[in-house]
Amino acid sequence: EAGVAQSPRYKIIEKRQSVAFWCNPISGHATLYWYQQILGQGPKLLIQFQNNGVVDDSQLPKDRFSAERLKGVDSTLKIQPAKLEDSAVYLCASSLELASGKGEQYFGPGTRLTVT
Amino acid sequence: KQEVTQIPAALSVPEGENLVLNCSFTDSAIYNLQWFRQDPGKGLTSLLLIQSSQREQTSGRLNASLDKSSGRSTLYIAASQPGDSATYLCAACSSGSARQLTFGSGTQLTVLP
Repeated sequence: EAGVAQSPRYKIIEKRQSVAFWCNPISGHATLYWYQQILGQGPKLLIQFQNNGVVDDSQLPKDRFSAERLKGVDSTLKIQPAKLEDSAVYLCASSLELASGKGEQYFGPGTRLTVT
Repeated sequence: KQEVTQIPAALSVPEGENLVLNCSFTDSAIYNLQWFRQDPGKGLTSLLLIQSSQREQTSGRLNASLDKSSGRSTLYIAASQPGDSATYLCAACSSGSARQLTFGSGTQLTVLP
């Protein structure tokens, strides 16, 4: 079974530029999560989707971050404009329907963003 | 709001030692408690998941325990090996319908040959 795919793996941009990350979850997984992991910290949830609807985006800085999950499969996370403090690893995870399963999440390899 | 703390932040042990990593959480109303491993530059690999009704889970040399009433979980690694060197993260899964994970900052483990 293929895991969660993310691209690109690495990205270096200058502050005030824009960047987009892509995630393809495990086939059949209805729930998709985006996390931000700053160096030395644990991942922090940014946004959670159930199919193509948003379950929780309370920790997403909406003035610069946006995310969408068209057709309930792939998802993109965008930052515009980027700030130095956005330098982090952006992790995507997926899981089965929220109402079933053990609540186990499967993580992709992440995208390491460096803002200079 | 759930808060998860992991102590110590870093640990270095000689090969062959048994070791314990600690995790504490402030809200005992959890759905489950999960332990992950993270290697440098990689994503998270799930190690063990303990449902709220369980007290422990075992996988090979790993054993995780859960004490909801005291808000604590431990990860026991037996006969450590250099290949166990990684960062270990615990995460509390919320009991609400959203099933969200709140992570600790991790324990960076180094096993010396």
